Amino acid sequence: SAVISQKPSRDICQRGTSLTIQCQVDSQVTMMFWYRQQPGQSLTLIATANQGSEATYESGFVIDKFPISRPNLTFSTLTVSNMSPEDSSIYLCSVTGKGGFLGEQYFGPGTRLTVT
Amino acid sequence: AQSVTQLGSHVSVSEGALVLLRCNYSSSVPPYLFWYVQYPNQGLQLLLKYTSAATLVKGINGFEAEFKKSETSFHLTKPSAHMSDAAEYFCAVSAQGAAGNKLTFGGGTRVLVKP
Repeated sequence: SAVISQKPSRDICQRGTSLTIQCQVDSQVTMMFWYRQQPGQSLTLIATANQGSEATYESGFVIDKFPISRPNLTFSTLTVSNMSPEDSSIYLCSVTGKGGFLGEQYFGPGTRLTVT
Repeated sequence: AQSVTQLGSHVSVSEGALVLLRCNYSSSVPPYLFWYVQYPNQGLQLLLKYTSAATLVKGINGFEAEFKKSETSFHLTKPSAHMSDAAEYFCAVSAQGAAGNKLTFGGGTRVLVKP
């Protein structure tokens, strides 16, 4: 399985500001995913990020609010823009597993964001 | 379209007792099914996966799950609970052949283990 790190691990931010979350993988991967986990809730997919192409956003998520970069096969960033308290969540990145099993994903430790 | 329903948002078991977490799925195509565990303040860890081979799947930490197509279920079990099993468990489904390898998660079940 891939080893995934995220920075920062947690942050407390003021409303109206933006935070960029980094996701680093120890091997080259084609597909990376960004999820949001609101307090006490399950995971919701924000977008899929493929290297060299625009991210694909899920219904309810827009690029202006959650811009994503994918400059190479081991790195991605998610920015949470113009934050409000409703953005307080854990943000997780994931990658597909080696061997190509559809759906099998490995997750980073998450970034715990609190917006005041 | 796919969906996952986990019955019971909280489960309490005694140490040494059977752990049973229920998961039912809906998928218009043959599914891939997964169980993940999330320990406090950590990311998700893959417990086990069903990918159309054996219907009884064994995973890490003594967990196993059985795929029952007729019941559209993929329940997770462990014969004897340990204190370290206290965590949140998520069932997830992916559609075979689907573009994008998307996972759809259930609502999660939080397991409390009593001594």
